[in-house]
Amino acid sequence: GAGVSQSPSNKVTEKGKDVELRCDPISGHTALYWYRQSLGQGLEFLIYFQGNSAPDKSGLPSDRFSAERTGGSVSTLTIQRTQQEDSAVYLCASRIRDVNTEAFFGQGTRLTVV
Amino acid sequence: GENVEQHPSTLSVQEGDSAVIKCTYSDSASNYFPWYKQELGKGPQLIIDIRSNVGEKKDQRIAVTLNKTAKHFSLHITETQPEDSAVYFCAASGVTGGGNKLTFGTGTQLKVEL
Repeated sequence: GAGVSQSPSNKVTEKGKDVELRCDPISGHTALYWYRQSLGQGLEFLIYFQGNSAPDKSGLPSDRFSAERTGGSVSTLTIQRTQQEDSAVYLCASRIRDVNTEAFFGQGTRLTVV
Repeated sequence: GENVEQHPSTLSVQEGDSAVIKCTYSDSASNYFPWYKQELGKGPQLIIDIRSNVGEKKDQRIAVTLNKTAKHFSLHITETQPEDSAVYFCAASGVTGGGNKLTFGTGTQLKVEL
């Protein structure tokens, strides 16, 4: 595709359920980032993948959050036992490489935990 | 790790006036400074970026300046138009540990009034 694609665009889930958010980066982009944006807030770093290197998980807020990137392409962010404070827009971005290049963002997944 | 501070959080200007948003960063190893514009319901989009070997860069009505010594960088928008109304984010990027993480400021809500 032409850009970063995220799915679903919106997700409503019940408290305590698990959710999976998907990100399809731009083909050939080796770096992939997940950010969280709460209502009216900035971009909170969650996790970063670069090629075959071990991911930088330093931004994950708790062990309920995890992410995978299969085959260096598609990434899935999983939130287990969702809580109301997990409600936010989850944004994915990719870069052709991790040094001084433009990061392209997807439209985001709006997660609402009820 | 890197810490990016952004001011002001909100900015209201009259159409045709200039707008200035300022950011500071903490990590002297950071060497790439992009600015993103986020419109309602969309992912952030790059509008201009600057690398540490340059002090100023201009693209039509938008300019960015960088002071490496003071660890300051600023976005300048001249002749503002209503379509410039959006949230603007600064970011800093540089090699930290094993990767190149983009750290964002908290955003500036710019409103251009007619």
